[in-house]
Amino acid sequence: KAGVTQTPRYLIKTRGQQVTLSCSPISGHRSVSWYQQTPGQGLQFLFEYFSETQRNKGNFPGRFSGRQFSNSRSEMNVSTLELGDSALYLCASSSGSLDSYEQYFGPGTRLTVT
Amino acid sequence: LAKTTQPISMDSYEGQEVNITCSHNNIATNDYITWYQQFPSQGPRFIIQGYKTKVTNEVASLFIPADRKSSTLSLPRVSLSDTAVYYCLVDYNNAGNMLTFGGGTRLMVKP
Repeated sequence: KAGVTQTPRYLIKTRGQQVTLSCSPISGHRSVSWYQQTPGQGLQFLFEYFSETQRNKGNFPGRFSGRQFSNSRSEMNVSTLELGDSALYLCASSSGSLDSYEQYFGPGTRLTVT
Repeated sequence: LAKTTQPISMDSYEGQEVNITCSHNNIATNDYITWYQQFPSQGPRFIIQGYKTKVTNEVASLFIPADRKSSTLSLPRVSLSDTAVYYCLVDYNNAGNMLTFGGGTRLMVKP
């Protein structure tokens, strides 16, 4: 069974630009969650999508958005990039069961904002 | 304010049992605690989850005392390959929108 894939793996953008990251979940998984990981703030929850709907949202500004397609693939968008957005962005897929936090993470997309 | 804290680092030797604690405030009786392991350049990997007093699987145990102010991940007989960063994750209102990770504990297993 193929794991979670994320593209691209590395990205360099300039302040003010926008970026779109992609995540393909494990086949059969209906939930995709996104996380930001930085040395200073650690792992922080961005949002979760389940059956094409945002089910949960963390405490990030509106510049961070996402969506999920009918095949469960998900994209995350960050607009008006700031230097502080430089981070490893991880997506994780799961069955979507409300009583399980067993998630399968992808390798991440490392975003550098200059 | 939900806050989840862990020791920054721990050292151990091969074959020893390792216990990593996670402190969490205001956790309800049905709030889940989940533990993940992360190696460099990889995404976190699920280890164990639970909300009751004790949960055990083939790789670890999770202990949650009655006051629920902390939880402990127990790794029996660690090996060099267990050297990694371990994160606890708490869903503070069991609704998925207050998912909070601890800062991570860097475990170094020595020969």
